[in-house]
Amino acid sequence: MQLQESGPGLVKPSETLSLTCAVSGGSISSKNSYWAWVRQAPEKGLEWIATMYYTGSTYYNPSLKSRVSISVDTSREQFSLRLRSVTAADTAIYYCARMVSVFFWFDSWGQGTLVSVSA
Amino acid sequence: SYELTQPLSVSVALGQTAKITCKGNNIGSRNVHWYQQKPGQAPVLVIYRDANRPSEVPERFSGSNSGNTATLTISRAQAGDEAAYYCQVWDSSSAFGGGTKLTVL
Repeated sequence: MQLQESGPGLVKPSETLSLTCAVSGGSISSKNSYWAWVRQAPEKGLEWIATMYYTGSTYYNPSLKSRVSISVDTSREQFSLRLRSVTAADTAIYYCARMVSVFFWFDSWGQGTLVSVSA
Repeated sequence: SYELTQPLSVSVALGQTAKITCKGNNIGSRNVHWYQQKPGQAPVLVIYRDANRPSEVPERFSGSNSGNTATLTISRAQAGDEAAYYCQVWDSSSAFGGGTKLTVL
């Protein structure tokens, strides 16, 4: 399975960060697959952002929940992330990934895309 | 949210055994997964459900989980094992440990 992130590499403060992940080599509607976003600020650790199932169930990091939304487009085999009101603290490499149910580990990752927040 | 604590760094001599811990409240009752991340690369799963290895991961990698500590063990450490290692759990939300930088001397 392959995942590929796409989206702007630069976002202005207070604006909305939007990224898309294209899934290939497998179905986004697979029963044992959940779809997730993880980010990594420069020289920092991994931070889970959100996870969703193709039917629409969503799970959010409590620290980001007020600003984040995740959605899926099964017809295009892709899922998306929106992060509102960004600040410099949101500058990071953003990864999309597949999580395997029932025990929710990440078994496939995109290569990651760097998003910088700057005026 | 559930907190996972890892040491910032661990050093191991070439060919020896490295142990990386991940501490959390009663973590033994949860399923712990481990990832290896080399500089400039995406993370790679090395252990899932405490002690299971994906087929492409060498047998030198093993895991255990009991009480308040989960442990990733790397036997016969090689230079190529130098990386950051992260533990992760799921409980209606996901959490990563802060990561451990493994240095092979």
